[in-house]
Amino acid sequence: KAGVTQTPRYLIKTRGQQVTLSCSPISGHRSVSWYQQTPGQGLQFLFEYFSETQRNKGNFPGRFSGRQFSNSRSEMNVSTLELGDSALYLCASSYLAGGNEQFFGPGTRLTVL
Amino acid sequence: QKEVEQNSGPLSVPEGAIASLNCTYSDRVSQSFFWYRQYSGKSPELIMSIYSNGDKEDGRFTAQLNKASQYVSLLIRDSQPSDSATYLCAVIYNQGGKLIFGQGTELSVKP
Repeated sequence: KAGVTQTPRYLIKTRGQQVTLSCSPISGHRSVSWYQQTPGQGLQFLFEYFSETQRNKGNFPGRFSGRQFSNSRSEMNVSTLELGDSALYLCASSYLAGGNEQFFGPGTRLTVL
Repeated sequence: QKEVEQNSGPLSVPEGAIASLNCTYSDRVSQSFFWYRQYSGKSPELIMSIYSNGDKEDGRFTAQLNKASQYVSLLIRDSQPSDSATYLCAVIYNQGGKLIFGQGTELSVKP
């Protein structure tokens, strides 16, 4: 069974631009969560989607948004990029929402210049 | 107060020894507990999940959960240099899908 895939793997943007990241979960998984990883803050939860509905949201500004499609694929968008948004963005999928095991994709490394 | 705490390390053990990684959490209503391994430059890889008090063994790995003490640990028996990585403890509260991670413990296994 193929794992979680994320595209693109690397992105370089400049301040003020916006970016869209994509995540395809493991086949059959309906829940997708997004996390940001930085050296200073570690892994922090962004949001969770299940059946096209956002179930949970972390403490990030409104510039961070996401959505999930009917095929469970998910996208997250960051608008008006700031230098501090440079991070590894990780997508994780699980079979169900809630306390299930989550499996991570390889991540998208975003650099904001 | 941080919700999930781990010693940052580095924890250094000789090859063949038992590595013991510890994690404490602050919320008594925690439901699910996970250990992830992350190699440098890679994404986290799930290695163990545990939901009830006691021990859970999987190969060389044993997870231990003590909800009364709000403590979860990971033991790695017969440690190998390939086990050298950062180990992340994660907790889910109240059946929410939000993983709360500790800062991770860096493990170094010396040949």
